[in-house]
Amino acid sequence: DVKVTQSSRYLVKRTGEKVFLECVQDMDHENMFWYRQDPGLGLRLIYFSYDVKMKEKGDIPEGYSVSREKKERFSLILESASTNQTSMYLCASSTGKETQYFGPGTRLLVL
Amino acid sequence: GEDVEQSLFLSVREGDSSVINCTYTDSSSTYLYWYKQEPGAGLQLLTYIFSNMDMKQDQRLTVLLNKKDKHLSLRIADTQTGDSAIYFCAGGSYIPTFGRGTSLIVHP
Repeated sequence: DVKVTQSSRYLVKRTGEKVFLECVQDMDHENMFWYRQDPGLGLRLIYFSYDVKMKEKGDIPEGYSVSREKKERFSLILESASTNQTSMYLCASSTGKETQYFGPGTRLLVL
Repeated sequence: GEDVEQSLFLSVREGDSSVINCTYTDSSSTYLYWYKQEPGAGLQLLTYIFSNMDMKQDQRLTVLLNKKDKHLSLRIADTQTGDSAIYFCAGGSYIPTFGRGTSLIVHP
């Protein structure tokens, strides 16, 4: 079974803090993704990566950056957290044949 | 790009069948997916259908695909309270595009 883990289930940060969300997958998948999920808006793609050190912007990359130094790990960075980044963040991985496997999510609250 | 639409809410009685509908725009989608999200959890792949199929059945789940109308549906037979969740339809040619999710509420 594919396993995708995220470093935290719940996180509370203050406005202006730098925030790191970590995601690890154990199935040697090439592709990894970060989404945010907000009520009524569904999932919106922030960034994705199709290989180590490669990254592509998704639909809403503003205010975020990512890092993929190792194949199994994909980090989402909020350089200076703002209250409008309060959300559920979901990481996913795939082999490139579309089926995505999701982590449990990190619920981030920015005060 | 792909656009995926689904209704936001569905309420059914326990034991009845649930039908969740989805429409999409990209006819080049190779696979179309249904994901389930239980409260506080990530998305779990429920089932998928290959674009050259019309129907797929998996225990209580039946997926119907109408390529002409670009319409996908998920039928859950004998719906149980444990089926209460948000169901996402997704499709696309490389990176799936997700619908906004349908909240299924099952009441006794």
